[in-house]
Amino acid sequence: GAGVSQSPSNKVTEKGKDVELRCDPISGHTALYWYRQSLGQGLEFLIYFQGNSAPDKSGLPSDRFSAERTGGSVSTLTIQRTQQEDSAVYLCASSQGGTGGNEQFFGPGTRLTVL
Amino acid sequence: GENVEQHPSTLSVQEGDSAVIKCTYSDSASNYFPWYKQELGKRPQLIIDIRSNVGEKKDQRIAVTLNKTAKHFSLHITETQPEDSAVYFCAARINEKLTFGTGTRLTIIP
Repeated sequence: GAGVSQSPSNKVTEKGKDVELRCDPISGHTALYWYRQSLGQGLEFLIYFQGNSAPDKSGLPSDRFSAERTGGSVSTLTIQRTQQEDSAVYLCASSQGGTGGNEQFFGPGTRLTVL
Repeated sequence: GENVEQHPSTLSVQEGDSAVIKCTYSDSASNYFPWYKQELGKRPQLIIDIRSNVGEKKDQRIAVTLNKTAKHFSLHITETQPEDSAVYFCAARINEKLTFGTGTRLTIIP
């Protein structure tokens, strides 16, 4: 079946502009995660959704970052007034959700470059 | 919150030799420890995982060990092959949140 998909694959924007990144999880997966990966770095947790609600938003770096999920499926991560330090690969992952060690399946990522 | 440290940051081994990557975590409530492999320009993929009620798990050439008392876990790759070259990330999970280590770049020397 189809894996996690993300769009766009690449986004170049000017400092100060808003951007919207999209994630389509695996069908039936109730849990959805956003991570940020800077060049040569590890994965930084941003936010987690269970269904449409976000029990954990602790990783969002500032109030310029927000995310929503509708219909328990597609999620969008919005970055307002982008800054150069926002440049990174934004990865989305989904899992079946619930307790236990359910595998997170990652999407291909969106490479964001802020000029 | 949880803090995961990973060592070494880079590792080069001769093809056929073994590679070991070590991670420590800070929060004893962590109950699930996956390892991800990320090839250049690709997405991370799960290669093996272990739950806190298990001490060791093996899958062909890959094994993971967990010491809950010391709060550390390790990835062991035996009989390394060129296709094992990648960046490997460990992670620890509490309440659905994964905290990742900073990664180990493994290079297999033919």
